[in-house]
Amino acid sequence: ENVLTQSPGTLSLSPGERATLSCRASQSISNNYLAWYQQKPGQAPRVLIYGTSNRATGIPDRFSGSGSGTDFTLTISRLEPEDFAVYYCQQYGSSPRYTFGQGTKLEIK
Amino acid sequence: EVQLVESGGDLIQPGRSLRLSCVASGFTVSSIYMGWVRQAPGKGLEWVSVIYTGGSTEYADSVKGRFTISRDSSKNTLYLQMNGLRAEDTAVYYCARGRPNYGDYDFWGQGTLVTVSS
Repeated sequence: ENVLTQSPGTLSLSPGERATLSCRASQSISNNYLAWYQQKPGQAPRVLIYGTSNRATGIPDRFSGSGSGTDFTLTISRLEPEDFAVYYCQQYGSSPRYTFGQGTKLEIK
Repeated sequence: EVQLVESGGDLIQPGRSLRLSCVASGFTVSSIYMGWVRQAPGKGLEWVSVIYTGGSTEYADSVKGRFTISRDSSKNTLYLQMNGLRAEDTAVYYCARGRPNYGDYDFWGQGTLVTVSS
């Protein structure tokens, strides 16, 4: 099983600041198969980044993804009030076919 | 416009069965892989099952042998048959559409709550 470990568990920042979220895998992931989701309370997750660095339709360019192998990063260049939420990374690979990280909560400082 | 609407969630006793449905619009469920993801109260996301365009299926170890994913192209609907329900199956269940070649899920339903309790 490819375990995804996200850090930090909680990130406290102010609007306008830069956020850097980490996702580390226990086994190497193909760059095509790493995605990031945002989830707000009471809502379904929404994909932000797929294939490590591709922004999904309608996602602002302040969101960017990078990384390779076992280390991946989601960066939010300048935080807007609506960006405070929980973020999950997700991989596709060997059994179990899909796994999610445990999430990073981005909260207002 | 792509839409996914789940239904079928309920309060149900341990050991009983339940079937969830997910009606899709804006695309054909058999044309792309589709999955179920669940979220226990206050917890993170857990992948449950996937069905591929060719009809093959896969399951998380936690539900293997108890849950069955299927689809009905004539109704453009995805299903999750859940048997032998346990308290730990309590969660919001989301259906989601897959993105070819990338392994992520690009559209999600709003979710349906399954509560397993006596």
